[in-house]
Amino acid sequence: DQQVKQNSPSLSVQEGRISILNCDYTNSMFDYFLWYKKYPAEGPTFLISISSIKDKNEDGRFTVFLNKSAKHLSLHIVPSQPGDSAVYFCAASAGGFKTIFGAGTRLFVKA
Amino acid sequence: EPEVTQTPSHQVTQMGQEVILRCVPISNHLYFYWYRQILGQKVEFLVSFYNNEISEKSEIFDDQFSVERPDGSNFTLKIRSTKLEDSAMYFCASSVSTGANVLTFGAGSRLTVL
Repeated sequence: DQQVKQNSPSLSVQEGRISILNCDYTNSMFDYFLWYKKYPAEGPTFLISISSIKDKNEDGRFTVFLNKSAKHLSLHIVPSQPGDSAVYFCAASAGGFKTIFGAGTRLFVKA
Repeated sequence: EPEVTQTPSHQVTQMGQEVILRCVPISNHLYFYWYRQILGQKVEFLVSFYNNEISEKSEIFDDQFSVERPDGSNFTLKIRSTKLEDSAMYFCASSVSTGANVLTFGAGSRLTVL
């Protein structure tokens, strides 16, 4: 089941710079896209979401962009902070009960 | 802040044994879920539960697995006759609705099958 793909297993960024995490999907029926953040020994924590009818949603340092024609979304974190170091999961749902997760991207923010 | 609690945090069991993982979802949430993450892999949907019945399940959730909400607060995942490949982190989650489907996850129960 590869409906949600995160092709970069890891990303390293300098503190204060922008982090861009990418996600591609194949199912055009997805109507909500979400990003979750996961620290070791904890469960994933919801970060930000976007409806398929929008192309941008912003919450503080976090912005999610959706390009429906390309079936691509990205999470921008600016400025990046060391505390942002975590695994970030892209996820999508089609209005039902199931949320499909990508494999995750491990972000390292260097001080 | 309300949270989803899971017990045990880590369980070690012998192959072929039965395991029950327990979860207490957030009290005003109506939808409950189990996901699992095999080490280094993605978080995989197992099952969703609403109104005291399974609402959706994945192909992973076969007859070896069952879920129950025995007393209105706990939500359990039972794995019968565990196999080595059942070793994973099992996450319980709950949500208020299924629209945007924002899930609140517990910290997980690590299952190790020997």
